[in-house]
Amino acid sequence: AQSVTQLDSQVPVFEEAPVELRCNYSSSVSVYLFWYVQYPNQGLQLLLKYLSGSTLVESINGFEAEFNKSQTSFHLRKPSVHISDTAEYFCAVTEPPGRNTDKLIFGTGTRLQVFP
Amino acid sequence: DAGVTQSPTHLIKTRGQQVTLRCSPKSGHDTVSWYQQALGQGPQFIFQYYEEEERQRGNFPDRFSGHQFPNYSSELNVNALLLGDSALYLCASSRGEGMGIQYFGAGTRLSVL
Repeated sequence: AQSVTQLDSQVPVFEEAPVELRCNYSSSVSVYLFWYVQYPNQGLQLLLKYLSGSTLVESINGFEAEFNKSQTSFHLRKPSVHISDTAEYFCAVTEPPGRNTDKLIFGTGTRLQVFP
Repeated sequence: DAGVTQSPTHLIKTRGQQVTLRCSPKSGHDTVSWYQQALGQGPQFIFQYYEEEERQRGNFPDRFSGHQFPNYSSELNVNALLLGDSALYLCASSRGEGMGIQYFGAGTRLSVL
């Protein structure tokens, strides 16, 4: 069975500092990987995804994540954070379609708190 | 282009009651999934509907049921509400062959008293 572990429940950081949110997954088959962001009192927004191809994926707002198959990781990074990045971040996995399933398995989330 | 819309946004019920939550998928999407997000937790998969049938189900009791209509909108029904059913209920839509990319609504916050 698939599972996702987000090692840090909270990450406090000062504005303009770099940040890394860690995500490890467990699966016996190949997977698709996602990062979603949830701002207070809102639903989930897709931040970035890895489906295939280049192992480094980027979002439009400066986040990037690298798929590492040997370490079964998909850590999220940003070189310089803003106050507006304060939110809950969820890592998720799903099996590729064709297996009659695309349900998402989520980690427990990491609360990123950016201080001025 | 409207995204995924859910109604109502908030709901308060008492134990033992029944509730119905509604979801309209993003335009062009034919698959709807429902998730339960308890406070401080990640979303948990409840079930998924495709072509008006339940395609897959998570580890939730039969008190949780759903329906998908010909226009792809969906309902989530929960019977015999328990205090532990208090959560944010998220609807996500995708295309049947959309490579697992799901788009979420803002959710319905259910409080059971």
